[in-house]
Amino acid sequence: DVKVTQSSRYLVKRTGEKVFLECVQDMDHENMFWYRQDPGLGLRLIYFSYDVKMKEKGDIPEGYSVSREKKERFSLILESASTNQTSMYLCASNRGARVYEQYFGPGTRLTVT
Amino acid sequence: KQEVTQIPAALSVPEGENLVLNCSFTDSAIYNLQWFRQDPGKGLTSLLLIQSSQREQTSGRLNASLDKSSGRSTLYIAASQPGDSATYLCAVPKRGANNLFFGTGTRLTVIP
Repeated sequence: DVKVTQSSRYLVKRTGEKVFLECVQDMDHENMFWYRQDPGLGLRLIYFSYDVKMKEKGDIPEGYSVSREKKERFSLILESASTNQTSMYLCASNRGARVYEQYFGPGTRLTVT
Repeated sequence: KQEVTQIPAALSVPEGENLVLNCSFTDSAIYNLQWFRQDPGKGLTSLLLIQSSQREQTSGRLNASLDKSSGRSTLYIAASQPGDSATYLCAVPKRGANNLFFGTGTRLTVIP
């Protein structure tokens, strides 16, 4: 079974803090994704990576950066957390071609106060 | 731009009933369509993936169909159980990319 894990289920941070969210997958998938999910807005893509050190912006990259130093790990970084970044963050991965199924992690509920 | 819509937004049914969830999409040039389940406060669990060349996929009590020409997919749940209560999401890959466009979701409640 594919397993995608995220470093924290719940996180509370203060405005202005630098925040790291980590995602690890164990199936040697080429592609990894970060989405955020908000009530009424659904899931929106923040960034994705198709290979080590490769990344592309999604629909809402502002205020975020990512890092992929190893194939199995994809980190989302909030350089200076703001209250409008309070959200559920979901990581996903899949194999290289677009016809393959995406697998999601359990999510991180981030609250910025 | 692709738009994915799910109707109804919420559905309550008595236990044991068969039910159908609907998903429609505006751009029929899709590679596949994926159905997910999400429990409150949790991540997404993949239920079924239908490739563009397929018309149906089955897993246990779940059956998903795909009609690309009409831009529709349905998820059929047989003999519903209280444990089926969750939000069900459909998603299609973005054209020219690998990320997914998600539907708005249907929140299902199965009443014991």
